[in-house]
Amino acid sequence: QQQVKQSPQSLIVQKGGISIINCAYENTAFDYFPWYQQFPGKGPALLIAIRPDVSEKKEGRFTISFNKSAKQFSLHIMDSQPGDSATYFCAASGGSNYKLTFGKGTLLTVNP
Amino acid sequence: GAGVSQTPSNKVTEKGKYVELRCDPISGHTALYWYRQSLGQGPEFLIYFQGTGAADDSGLPNDRFFAVRPEGSVSTLKIQRTERGDSAVYLCASSLFPGTGYGYTFGSGTRLTVV
Repeated sequence: QQQVKQSPQSLIVQKGGISIINCAYENTAFDYFPWYQQFPGKGPALLIAIRPDVSEKKEGRFTISFNKSAKQFSLHIMDSQPGDSATYFCAASGGSNYKLTFGKGTLLTVNP
Repeated sequence: GAGVSQTPSNKVTEKGKYVELRCDPISGHTALYWYRQSLGQGPEFLIYFQGTGAADDSGLPNDRFFAVRPEGSVSTLKIQRTERGDSAVYLCASSLFPGTGYGYTFGSGTRLTVV
């Protein structure tokens, strides 16, 4: 059972455009929703995270939007740059559960 | 150290052989995790250490997999009688926040190829 569904699988955006990646979850016990960025040959690195008590969190060009009733959250990358080209994973964990459940990832390509 | 260090970065082994993968966590991080990332997939949980003990090994796929952390720092993931299906990137992460999903720092992983 895949508890976190991520889409799209791949995304191509022009430099300066907006990249949007979506995730949906099933487990209502989840209460922590991080996004990770992974470059080839590297491990995932935490990008930004949100708790369900807020609907949006912004850090620089990166914004998470969270819809608790729909059990969905999304990552928006404003003014996308070629250096943002990477694989992005959404994840979730819940309560005292230390396990992160990851989506399958989105390969983002930003063309110059 | 400044980050989570994993060695080797790449390991090619023959089917049926035994392998050991090493993880050096960030100094002071008591929580340590192993995840496995198959091609085109997100990381999947294998095992969680709090200190020296394995608090949760429910993600280990079978009894060919075993992990230790004898002094509460370095951890070794051991795989016996390797199979081609074990080929994946094995990621280690450590955290200052035991018992939560917060603050994971991942290493760069060990890419295991079983031929």
